[in-house]
Amino acid sequence: EVQLVESGGGLVKPGGSLRLACAASGFTFNEHSMNWIRQAPGKGLEWVSSISSRGNHMYYADSVRGRFTTSRDNAKNILYLQINNLRDDDTALYFCARDPRSSGTAYYFDFWGQGSLVTVSS
Amino acid sequence: DIQMTQSPSSLSASVGDRVTITCRASRDISDSLAWYQQRPGKAPTLMCFDASVLGGGVPSRFSGSGSGTHFSLTISSLQPEDFATYFCQQYYNNPPTFGQGTRVEI
Repeated sequence: EVQLVESGGGLVKPGGSLRLACAASGFTFNEHSMNWIRQAPGKGLEWVSSISSRGNHMYYADSVRGRFTTSRDNAKNILYLQINNLRDDDTALYFCARDPRSSGTAYYFDFWGQGSLVTVSS
Repeated sequence: DIQMTQSPSSLSASVGDRVTITCRASRDISDSLAWYQQRPGKAPTLMCFDASVLGGGVPSRFSGSGSGTHFSLTISSLQPEDFATYFCQQYYNNPPTFGQGTRVEI
């Protein structure tokens, strides 16, 4: 059974930093691109970032580029999102999600974690 | 970025009703469209991809159709567990973008 479990969220002051983690199990982690997608309270979904299966290519939404860094540890089956210089509008539930293709990238998402809440407030 | 517009934003329906949600892309996305269901407090689940292919375990009362710029998700006979919010998402171009959601209420 595919499982994705996020952790690391919390309350942070504007300008602060946080690192989210997503522990994956139930599939061959190093064969799939992975993604971060966020949802502000009561709002829709926004794709944030993706990382290739080997971790050598990363892509970011314009709204986070330069502040967020995605990485992965394929030996530990963990996906990370380093969030720096947090702003009020970064407040959201952050989901990790799997790309279904085991080679290449589809850019839709077949399994999602339950999310980790990041709240930015002074 | 490609803009995705869903309609309606919300609808009220009864168990057994046939329900159709539409999604329009700001430009041609071929069949690169997915639908997700999100129940309150839960993560989204993949309902349909490539516009019309049902995701694993999705009941056959769900169907997706369309290509180009106009798409729809139909529930042939609404069940209690189908009351949720539905999102469309294009993956033709980066960045992948989502519609604003359609809330299906009792």
